[in-house]
Amino acid sequence: DAMVIQNPRYQVTQFGKPVTLSCSQTLNHNVMYWYQQKSSQAPKLLFHYYDKDFNNEADTPDNFQSRRPNTSFCFLDIRSPGLGDAAMYLCATSRDLAGIETQYFGPGTRLLVL
Amino acid sequence: ELKVEQNPLFLSMQEGKNYTIYCNYSTTSDRLYWYRQDPGKSLESLFVLLSNGAVKQEGRLMASLDTKARLSTLHITAAVHDLSATYFCAVDRGKAAGNKLTFGGGTRVLVKP
Repeated sequence: DAMVIQNPRYQVTQFGKPVTLSCSQTLNHNVMYWYQQKSSQAPKLLFHYYDKDFNNEADTPDNFQSRRPNTSFCFLDIRSPGLGDAAMYLCATSRDLAGIETQYFGPGTRLLVL
Repeated sequence: ELKVEQNPLFLSMQEGKNYTIYCNYSTTSDRLYWYRQDPGKSLESLFVLLSNGAVKQEGRLMASLDTKARLSTLHITAAVHDLSATYFCAVDRGKAAGNKLTFGGGTRVLVKP
């Protein structure tokens, strides 16, 4: 029944070692989002895809990249993780950007940087 | 820039009593969402409020939106332990901003027996 799936659920990486987080959806939604949530903080939007169109938030560091090879999958690449990048990374989807569409969140990937 | 503030940041509740969480935002928006997050878990959608005066209720939770006051409230009636969680409001930034969401800082709720 899972609609938004994230893998892995927990990821440990070393300082500076590239890491990729995965998100897939069975909802056939047009929009996929990546959020970063640090401990006891609100989720912060990093970027989103509307279909194949990529939209980066102005304050998202260059260290964070994303790919969406098809409707179902979206990846978050962290090129050189720093200690400050340790966080929960949440993927979300919505049918459209129209504002009335609920965002459905995946279970998240908790990233630890050693 | 849209700012979203929640009050209080932490709420210790007694079972059976009523409480309210407030969500204020700084610029015009007529779409607001409430989410629940359990520790270490993802966000679960509670309510979508799409117009001024909108009121939604589910079980012991009721949410309302006053777009003129730029205020939403989440009211908890007769709190029970399983409502312990962190509650986030999120405001739609509007069509010009791609209808992206800005989240409030969250209200951590602990319901004690």
